[in-house]
Amino acid sequence: AQSVTQLDSHVSVSEGTPVLLRCNYSSSYSPSLFWYVQHPNKGLQLLLKYTSAATLVKGINGFEAEFKKSETSFHLTKPSAHMSDAAEYFCVVSDPSTGGYQKVTFGTGTKLQVIP
Amino acid sequence: DGGITQSPKYLFRKEGQNVTLSCEQNLNHDAMYWYRQDPGQGLRLIYYSQIVNDFQKGDIAEGYSVSREKKESFPLTVTSAQKNPTAFYLCASSSRGSWDSNTGELFFGEGSRLTVL
Repeated sequence: AQSVTQLDSHVSVSEGTPVLLRCNYSSSYSPSLFWYVQHPNKGLQLLLKYTSAATLVKGINGFEAEFKKSETSFHLTKPSAHMSDAAEYFCVVSDPSTGGYQKVTFGTGTKLQVIP
Repeated sequence: DGGITQSPKYLFRKEGQNVTLSCEQNLNHDAMYWYRQDPGQGLRLIYYSQIVNDFQKGDIAEGYSVSREKKESFPLTVTSAQKNPTAFYLCASSSRGSWDSNTGELFFGEGSRLTVL
């Protein structure tokens, strides 16, 4: 069985300071891991993905995440927050399942607030 | 530009009415999905379809129905049997492929917000 835990439902940072959004996962396989961002009343946009290549993954808008198998973590970071980063972020795990269908599990989301 | 189009963006329904949410994609993806989003609960899978004329129930299919008559289209009907339909609904698609080539990346529409009056 797979699961995703986003450790903080809300994170608040000042503009220009670092961002850390935490995600732990559980999977029976070597999973693919994703971070998506959602602005209010919008769909989800892919920020970055890990698919068993380099463990440090760079995404759009200066975000990056590091896959740590020993810690079963995939935390999202950014060196300097911008006002436009205020949104909700979802950590997602994807595993193969019977019939070739990719089972996708979403975390419950972390709302990032950026204070001017 | 390729993408997924959902309509309507906002929809109001009276209790006892069925409503249909539209989802169209021009990404040539085989697989399509419907998710429901409620505050603090992440996304929950309603139905998915891996190929035309085939679909499977997800985790919360009760009170919903779908069809997949064309590769590009995957409409969702919220029936009167759905007890608490007020939510944000998201349609997504992915290339199916094999495990080796399909990482599970999803492409999302902009969503439809349904409110029951």
